[in-house]
Amino acid sequence: EVQLVESGGGLVQPGGSLRLSCAGSGFTLSNYWMHWVRQAPGKGLVWVSRINSYSDGSSTSYADSVKGRFTISRDNAKNTLFLQMNTLRPGDTAVYYCATTNSHAFDIWGQGTMVTVSS
Amino acid sequence: QSALTQPPSASGSPGQSVTISCTGASSDVGGYNYVSWYQQHPGKAPKLIIYEVSKRPSGVPDRFSGSKSGNTASLTVSGLQAEDEADYHCSSYVGDNSWVFGGGTKLTVL
Repeated sequence: EVQLVESGGGLVQPGGSLRLSCAGSGFTLSNYWMHWVRQAPGKGLVWVSRINSYSDGSSTSYADSVKGRFTISRDNAKNTLFLQMNTLRPGDTAVYYCATTNSHAFDIWGQGTMVTVSS
Repeated sequence: QSALTQPPSASGSPGQSVTISCTGASSDVGGYNYVSWYQQHPGKAPKLIIYEVSKRPSGVPDRFSGSKSGNTASLTVSGLQAEDEADYHCSSYVGDNSWVFGGGTKLTVL
């Protein structure tokens, strides 16, 4: 079964850091474009970041709101995607989902992990 | 990149049809045929139901259909069923390896 499972969320103070993980099973993450998408409580989805497949050079891109603070990466041996989040702000509070894209549509999603930034 | 505009709510009775709009600009919805739609039940992850404006993934009922005219995409749910009550989100590729979503629409089956 194709599956993505996120972990690493929790409560962190403003200015702090957190590292999210997204473990894949049933398929090889490095063959796909992988993304992080977040959803603040009661709000819509917001695209955060993407990393290309290994064959496409593993380049990355970020939403302006997180550029310079967040870093997406992948450990191919562990079939795991990461999101390193630094200098966190209350506005970063959200459920964070990892997802794959196929033809620019987000087709496989994890169950999400909650990040709360509060003092 | 500004979020796409969706109505906050929509409703219909069982068996009826309802259409949800998703308005963007020529730089996103109007410029690419990469509009997708997602269904999200409370506490659950989103599920892809339409991609490339009007294509349905395997397993998605043909009651769900998508279209686009200019800078506005639309999702139509025909033959409404109770289990269709959920939040619906649109998304568009915007070039430069970036994507944008709409604010989401809560669909109520009366």
